[in-house]
Amino acid sequence: KAGVTQTPRYLIKTRGQQVTLSCSPISGHRSVSWYQQTPGQGLQFLFEYFSETQRNKGNFPGRFSGRQFSNSRSEMNVSTLELGDSALYLCASSQGAGNTEAFFGQGTRLTVV
Amino acid sequence: SQQGEEDPQALSIQEGENATMNCSYKTSINNLQWYRQNSGRGLVHLILIRSNEREKHSGRLRVTLDTSKKSSSLLITASRAADTASYFCATAPVYTGTASKLTFGTGTRLQVTL
Repeated sequence: KAGVTQTPRYLIKTRGQQVTLSCSPISGHRSVSWYQQTPGQGLQFLFEYFSETQRNKGNFPGRFSGRQFSNSRSEMNVSTLELGDSALYLCASSQGAGNTEAFFGQGTRLTVV
Repeated sequence: SQQGEEDPQALSIQEGENATMNCSYKTSINNLQWYRQNSGRGLVHLILIRSNEREKHSGRLRVTLDTSKKSSSLLITASRAADTASYFCATAPVYTGTASKLTFGTGTRLQVTL
C-alpha cells in the first residue's frame, strides 16, 4: 500500500507570492490534515478535510486555506507569503474515525525569501 | 499551540542501552500517538495507545499511559544507532471525535552512539 505522498518536496518562493502544496493520502483514507513545523513553534495543526469538507481548523490566518477533492487528495494554499511562513509542511492521512492512526508524508520544505 | 511537553528535551545514550521519554498533556484525550522524525523529514508513526489502555508494546517499544496524571512514556529497549531521531507524542482530544486534529509535544532528541 502506498504511503502519503506530498509534492513538491522543496519550494523557494518570494515574499508576497502564493504557493500550493499537494497531498495524496493512503488509499481508502478520507481524512487529510495539514501541519506546520517550525523551530520556534514546533508542530501546529492547520486544518483537516474529510469527505471534501473542512472539519477542523487551527489558529492560522485566512491566508492559509485548503481543499479536498473527491478522490481525497488535498491541496493547501498560502497566499501573500511572509518570511515567517518558511517551514516544513506536513500532511497526515487517516481513516477519520475517532481512534485511528494518522500517517504522515515526507513533507514540503517551503522557504520564503 | 503545544499541548504537551516532553522530557528530557535531549537524551544521549550508548547503543544497547534503554531510552525513556516522557510526555505530559493538558486536556482529556481519545488517544495518544508516538512518532519519530529523522532530521526534518516526515513523521513515522510508532504506536497508538487509546485512553482506556494503560500499556502497549510493539517490538522494542513500550508505551504507558496514565490518564489520571495526563502523562505517557515511551521506552525503547536495546537502542541502536538507527534509533537516533526526534520523538514526539501527539494527542487526539476527546471533543473533536476524531484522531485527525493532533496536538504535538515539544519532542525529545535522542542520540544513540556506538
